[in-house]
Amino acid sequence: QVQLQESGPGLVKPSQTLSLTCTVSGDSISSVGYYWSWIRQHPGKGLEWIGYMYNSGSTRYNPSLRSRVTISLDTSKNQFSLKLSSVTAADTAVYFCARALPAMSYFGMDVWGQGTTVTVSS
Amino acid sequence: DIQMTQSPSSLSASVGDRVTISCRTSQSISTYLNWYQQKPGKAPNLLIYGASSLQSGVPARFSGSGSGTDFTLTISSLQPEDFATYYCQQSYSPPLTFGGGTKVEIK
Repeated sequence: QVQLQESGPGLVKPSQTLSLTCTVSGDSISSVGYYWSWIRQHPGKGLEWIGYMYNSGSTRYNPSLRSRVTISLDTSKNQFSLKLSSVTAADTAVYFCARALPAMSYFGMDVWGQGTTVTVSS
Repeated sequence: DIQMTQSPSSLSASVGDRVTISCRTSQSISTYLNWYQQKPGKAPNLLIYGASSLQSGVPARFSGSGSGTDFTLTISSLQPEDFATYYCQQSYSPPLTFGGGTKVEIK
């Protein structure tokens, strides 16, 4: 059974870089066809896709965040990570990592981490 | 970006009711439409992918239909564990976008 678990600081100061890691268990992050994704949810709001990385190394980011976002894979640790630079209070949210299925399954996100709350405050 | 419009934003229903949630997209997305259920404090759970394919382990009372720009999620007989917020999501073209959500509450 595949499981994902987010980890990282719960509090980040304005202008600093938010760094989160998602540890994958039960499957290899190098498995062909999956898209390793980050999504966030502002308090009491809907879901916002941040971006994903394919195991080939290709990435796609939300244009609204593209200038500040980096997603990377660490196959040796079976982890993928999110870095979001120059954060402001508007980046306060619950951050989820998720696995998106291959194209034949319409990229549905079938496995999610439990989510981690990140607050941006001085 | 492809805009997603879900309706209604909330509804009240009773156990056993048939519930229908709509999702409309700003441009045609074929059947690249997924549905999720989210309960408070939890991660979303994939219910339907490709507009009408039931994700493994999801009860058969959930079904999806539609193509192009108009989609529907139907719960044939609402159960107590179905009270939650439901989101549609398009996977046709990045940036992937979600609908605003439909909160299903107990009448």
